[in-house]
Amino acid sequence: GAVVSQHPSWVICKSGTSVKIECRSLDFQATTMFWYRQFPKQSLMLMATSNEGSKATYEQGVEKDKFLINHASLTLSTLTVTSAHPEDSSFYICSARDMGSYNEQFFGPGTRLTVL
Amino acid sequence: DQQVKQNSPSLSVQEGRISILNCDYTNSMFDYFLWYKKYPAEGPTFLISISSIKDKNEDGRFTVFLNKSAKHLSLHIVPSQPGDSAVYFCAASERGGGADGLTFGKGTHLIIQP
Repeated sequence: GAVVSQHPSWVICKSGTSVKIECRSLDFQATTMFWYRQFPKQSLMLMATSNEGSKATYEQGVEKDKFLINHASLTLSTLTVTSAHPEDSSFYICSARDMGSYNEQFFGPGTRLTVL
Repeated sequence: DQQVKQNSPSLSVQEGRISILNCDYTNSMFDYFLWYKKYPAEGPTFLISISSIKDKNEDGRFTVFLNKSAKHLSLHIVPSQPGDSAVYFCAASERGGGADGLTFGKGTHLIIQP
């Protein structure tokens, strides 16, 4: 089946540093990937839509200069949290659209970010 | 403002009985609805979906019902099994085909008791 991986699975960083999270579709090509964030006991909130070869589309309220998204290939999208602050601590999950599988996004296992 | 609402944070059901999870939405532009199952520290796993042109979709033990006029959908699991214990998220999008990001509810924690 369609598998999406994320790396790292968890990361702890100091306030002010930048952190890069990778999302890979392992056995399919994904022209579109999505980035979500989930706070404890909350729903997954869509942050941005990442399209291969073009700029990402950000949801209202999400700072594009803080959350840099790059979708350089059909199997890889990266999310960089720049100048991270404690309030950025969250569970970040990506999903990828499998063009061969109608009406389904496959989700990665998520990345737990803790900013000290 | 929550566009997809799951008003029951948790639900406890006896093994072998029916589990019914409910979801309401407010955005009339939503045209496609999905249910995901999620374990802690993992990404959601797709369970079943339904488009707005249908009112029922069935896949094995899972059935989703859509009442578009009431902006309500439900997931039925029959019979419930211990492995069904997880958090269930209702999600919606304006287009199918995975083209849009999804709007999720807050989830319902289903506990199947032996």
